[in-house]
Amino acid sequence: GAVVSQHPSRVICKSGTSVKIECRSLDFQATTMFWYRQFPKKSLMLMATSNEGSKATYEQGVEKDKFLINHASLTLSTLTVTSAHPEDSSFYICSAQGGLPEAFFGQGTRLTVV
Amino acid sequence: GENVEQHPSTLSVQEGDSAVIKCTYSDSASNYFPWYKQELGKRPQLIIDIRSNVGEKKDQRIAVTLNKTAKHFSLHITETQPEDSAVYFCAASNGNTGNQFYFGTGTSLTVIP
Repeated sequence: GAVVSQHPSRVICKSGTSVKIECRSLDFQATTMFWYRQFPKKSLMLMATSNEGSKATYEQGVEKDKFLINHASLTLSTLTVTSAHPEDSSFYICSAQGGLPEAFFGQGTRLTVV
Repeated sequence: GENVEQHPSTLSVQEGDSAVIKCTYSDSASNYFPWYKQELGKRPQLIIDIRSNVGEKKDQRIAVTLNKTAKHFSLHITETQPEDSAVYFCAASNGNTGNQFYFGTGTSLTVIP
Protein backbone atom coordinates (compact mmCIF):
# COMPACT_ATOMS: atom_id res chain seq x y z
CA GLY A 1 0.00 0.00 0.00
CA ALA A 2 0.87 3.66 -0.15
CA VAL A 3 3.10 5.24 2.49
CA VAL A 4 1.94 8.03 4.75
CA SER A 5 4.39 9.49 7.22
CA GLN A 6 3.29 11.46 10.28
CA HIS A 7 5.55 13.39 12.61
CA PRO A 8 6.20 13.65 15.41
CA SER A 9 5.12 10.29 16.79
CA ARG A 10 5.15 11.61 20.32
CA VAL A 11 5.18 15.11 21.71
CA ILE A 12 4.89 16.60 25.16
CA CYS A 13 4.12 20.27 25.44
CA LYS A 14 3.28 22.77 28.13
CA SER A 15 -0.23 24.04 28.55
CA GLY A 16 -0.82 27.17 26.49
CA THR A 17 1.71 26.38 23.78
CA SER A 18 1.05 25.24 20.21
CA VAL A 19 2.04 22.00 18.55
CA LYS A 20 2.29 21.26 14.84
CA ILE A 21 1.80 17.78 13.45
CA GLU A 22 2.80 16.94 9.89
CA CYS A 23 1.30 14.35 7.60
CA ARG A 24 3.08 13.50 4.37
CA SER A 25 2.18 11.16 1.53
CA LEU A 26 5.52 9.78 0.36
CA ASP A 27 4.72 7.97 -2.86
CA PHE A 28 1.45 9.39 -4.09
CA GLN A 29 -0.38 12.67 -4.38
CA ALA A 30 -2.93 13.10 -1.64
CA THR A 31 -5.81 15.17 -2.89
CA THR A 32 -7.58 14.66 0.40
CA MET A 33 -6.31 14.25 3.92
CA PHE A 34 -8.40 13.37 6.93
CA TRP A 35 -7.52 14.19 10.51
CA TYR A 36 -8.79 12.01 13.32
CA ARG A 37 -8.61 11.92 17.05
CA GLN A 38 -8.64 8.59 18.82
CA PHE A 39 -9.32 8.04 22.49
CA PRO A 40 -8.08 4.90 24.25
CA LYS A 41 -9.95 1.80 23.14
CA LYS A 42 -12.25 3.90 20.99
CA SER A 43 -12.89 4.35 17.31
CA LEU A 44 -11.53 7.07 15.08
CA MET A 45 -13.29 10.40 15.45
CA LEU A 46 -13.09 12.51 12.31
CA MET A 47 -12.03 16.07 13.09
CA ALA A 48 -11.72 17.56 9.64
CA THR A 49 -11.28 16.87 5.96
CA SER A 50 -8.81 18.87 3.95
CA ASN A 51 -8.48 19.10 0.22
CA GLU A 52 -5.32 20.47 -1.34
CA GLY A 53 -5.48 24.19 -1.86
CA SER A 54 -8.78 24.78 -0.11
CA LYS A 55 -10.00 25.35 3.40
CA ALA A 56 -10.58 22.36 5.60
CA THR A 57 -14.06 21.17 6.41
CA TYR A 58 -14.47 20.68 10.13
CA GLU A 59 -16.83 18.28 11.82
CA GLN A 60 -19.44 19.59 14.18
CA GLY A 61 -18.01 20.39 17.58
CA VAL A 62 -14.42 20.76 16.39
CA GLU A 63 -13.06 24.27 16.90
CA LYS A 64 -11.42 25.40 13.68
CA ASP A 65 -9.52 28.19 15.44
CA LYS A 66 -8.03 25.73 17.87
CA PHE A 67 -7.19 22.98 15.41
CA LEU A 68 -5.64 24.72 12.42
CA ILE A 69 -5.32 22.59 9.32
CA ASN A 70 -3.27 23.48 6.30
CA HIS A 71 -3.06 21.41 3.13
CA ALA A 72 -0.77 23.52 1.02
CA SER A 73 0.54 20.81 -1.27
CA LEU A 74 -0.46 17.44 -2.63
CA THR A 75 1.93 15.70 -0.27
CA LEU A 76 1.69 17.63 2.97
CA SER A 77 -1.01 18.55 5.45
CA THR A 78 -0.43 19.98 8.89
CA LEU A 79 -2.52 20.10 12.03
CA THR A 80 -1.64 22.75 14.60
CA VAL A 81 -3.13 22.45 18.04
CA THR A 82 -3.13 26.00 19.36
CA SER A 83 -3.09 27.00 23.02
CA ALA A 84 -3.06 23.37 24.01
CA HIS A 85 -4.67 22.26 27.24
CA PRO A 86 -4.47 18.93 29.09
CA GLU A 87 -7.85 17.91 27.67
CA ASP A 88 -6.31 18.08 24.20
CA SER A 89 -4.04 15.19 25.13
CA SER A 90 -4.89 12.38 22.74
CA PHE A 91 -3.77 10.27 19.80
CA TYR A 92 -4.06 12.26 16.58
CA ILE A 93 -3.86 10.44 13.29
CA CYS A 94 -4.09 11.45 9.67
CA SER A 95 -5.06 9.51 6.59
CA ALA A 96 -4.39 10.40 2.99
CA GLN A 97 -6.33 9.64 -0.13
CA GLY A 98 -5.28 9.98 -3.76
CA GLY A 99 -7.45 9.46 -6.77
CA LEU A 100 -8.84 6.17 -5.46
CA PRO A 101 -11.19 5.48 -2.57
CA GLU A 102 -8.47 3.78 -0.53
CA ALA A 103 -7.14 5.84 2.36
CA PHE A 104 -3.87 5.16 4.16
CA PHE A 105 -3.01 6.19 7.67
CA GLY A 106 0.00 7.88 9.18
CA GLN A 107 1.53 6.34 12.26
CA GLY A 108 -0.21 8.77 14.59
CA THR A 109 0.96 11.34 17.11
CA ARG A 110 0.62 10.88 20.84
CA LEU A 111 0.14 14.37 22.26
CA THR A 112 0.52 14.95 25.97
CA VAL A 113 -0.15 18.42 27.34
CA VAL A 114 1.25 19.04 30.80
CA GLY B 1 -25.72 10.63 7.21
CA GLU B 2 -24.20 7.18 7.26
CA ASN B 3 -24.25 5.08 10.41
CA VAL B 4 -21.99 2.05 10.73
CA GLU B 5 -22.49 -0.45 13.49
CA GLN B 6 -19.97 -3.15 14.32
CA HIS B 7 -20.27 -6.33 16.38
CA PRO B 8 -18.96 -7.82 18.53
CA SER B 9 -16.92 -5.28 20.45
CA THR B 10 -14.65 -7.99 21.80
CA LEU B 11 -13.93 -11.46 20.49
CA SER B 12 -11.72 -14.22 21.81
CA VAL B 13 -10.93 -17.32 19.79
CA GLN B 14 -8.57 -20.23 20.10
CA GLU B 15 -5.64 -20.30 17.76
CA GLY B 16 -6.63 -22.07 14.57
CA ASP B 17 -10.31 -21.24 14.89
CA SER B 18 -12.16 -18.78 12.69
CA ALA B 19 -13.22 -15.25 13.64
CA VAL B 20 -16.11 -13.32 12.15
CA ILE B 21 -16.80 -9.63 12.62
CA LYS B 22 -19.99 -8.06 11.30
CA CYS B 23 -20.90 -4.54 10.29
CA THR B 24 -24.08 -2.91 9.11
CA TYR B 25 -24.51 0.41 7.36
CA SER B 26 -27.48 2.64 6.71
CA ASP B 27 -26.76 4.67 3.57
CA SER B 28 -27.50 2.83 0.33
CA ALA B 29 -25.14 5.24 -1.44
CA SER B 30 -22.16 3.67 0.30
CA ASN B 31 -20.27 1.47 -2.11
CA TYR B 32 -16.78 1.05 -0.70
CA PHE B 33 -16.10 -0.97 2.45
CA PRO B 34 -12.56 -1.24 3.80
CA TRP B 35 -11.38 -3.13 6.85
CA TYR B 36 -8.51 -1.90 8.98
CA LYS B 37 -6.39 -3.69 11.56
CA GLN B 38 -4.89 -1.61 14.35
CA GLU B 39 -2.35 -2.95 16.78
CA LEU B 40 -1.88 -1.19 20.08
CA GLY B 41 -0.32 2.24 19.63
CA LYS B 42 0.05 1.82 15.89
CA ARG B 43 -1.64 3.05 12.77
CA PRO B 44 -4.68 1.33 11.26
CA GLN B 45 -3.57 -0.85 8.36
CA LEU B 46 -5.83 -1.53 5.41
CA ILE B 47 -6.13 -5.32 5.25
CA ILE B 48 -8.90 -5.85 2.72
CA ASP B 49 -11.64 -3.90 1.03
CA ILE B 50 -14.65 -4.59 -1.11
CA ARG B 51 -16.64 -2.58 -3.56
CA SER B 52 -20.35 -2.89 -4.01
CA ASN B 53 -20.13 -4.58 -7.38
CA VAL B 54 -18.89 -7.83 -5.81
CA GLY B 55 -20.28 -9.99 -3.05
CA GLU B 56 -17.11 -11.58 -1.75
CA LYS B 57 -13.38 -11.04 -1.82
CA LYS B 58 -10.66 -13.24 -0.42
CA ASP B 59 -6.99 -12.73 0.35
CA GLN B 60 -5.33 -15.79 1.86
CA ARG B 61 -6.84 -16.26 5.35
CA ILE B 62 -8.94 -13.12 5.16
CA ALA B 63 -12.25 -12.73 3.36
CA VAL B 64 -14.95 -10.11 3.25
CA THR B 65 -18.55 -10.63 2.23
CA LEU B 66 -21.07 -7.96 1.31
CA ASN B 67 -24.84 -8.12 1.21
CA LYS B 68 -26.03 -4.89 -0.36
CA THR B 69 -29.69 -5.71 0.03
CA ALA B 70 -29.37 -6.22 3.75
CA LYS B 71 -26.70 -3.53 4.06
CA HIS B 72 -24.23 -5.62 5.95
CA PHE B 73 -20.69 -6.81 5.41
CA SER B 74 -18.48 -9.16 7.35
CA LEU B 75 -14.82 -9.94 7.88
CA HIS B 76 -13.83 -13.57 8.11
CA ILE B 77 -10.42 -14.67 9.39
CA THR B 78 -9.64 -18.37 9.14
CA GLU B 79 -6.91 -20.37 10.89
CA THR B 80 -6.34 -17.53 13.31
CA GLN B 81 -2.88 -16.91 14.71
CA PRO B 82 -1.76 -14.95 17.78
CA GLU B 83 -0.47 -12.17 15.52
CA ASP B 84 -4.04 -11.62 14.33
CA SER B 85 -4.78 -10.17 17.78
CA ALA B 86 -5.63 -6.50 17.27
CA VAL B 87 -8.54 -4.11 16.97
CA TYR B 88 -10.37 -4.33 13.67
CA PHE B 89 -12.42 -1.47 12.24
CA CYS B 90 -14.88 -1.62 9.39
CA ALA B 91 -15.75 1.48 7.41
CA ALA B 92 -18.14 2.63 4.72
CA SER B 93 -17.73 5.31 2.09
CA ASN B 94 -19.48 6.36 -1.08
CA GLY B 95 -16.24 5.72 -2.88
CA ASN B 96 -15.72 9.23 -4.14
CA THR B 97 -12.36 10.83 -3.46
CA GLY B 98 -12.69 13.34 -0.67
CA ASN B 99 -15.74 11.81 0.87
CA GLN B 100 -15.31 10.74 4.44
CA PHE B 101 -15.12 7.26 5.82
CA TYR B 102 -17.62 6.25 8.45
CA PHE B 103 -15.98 3.88 10.91
CA GLY B 104 -17.45 1.20 13.07
CA THR B 105 -16.69 1.17 16.77
CA GLY B 106 -14.06 -1.53 16.48
CA THR B 107 -13.67 -5.14 17.53
CA SER B 108 -10.88 -6.19 19.84
CA LEU B 109 -9.82 -9.66 18.71
CA THR B 110 -7.73 -11.86 20.96
CA VAL B 111 -6.34 -15.11 19.61
CA ILE B 112 -5.47 -17.45 22.45
CA PRO B 113 -2.44 -19.65 21.77
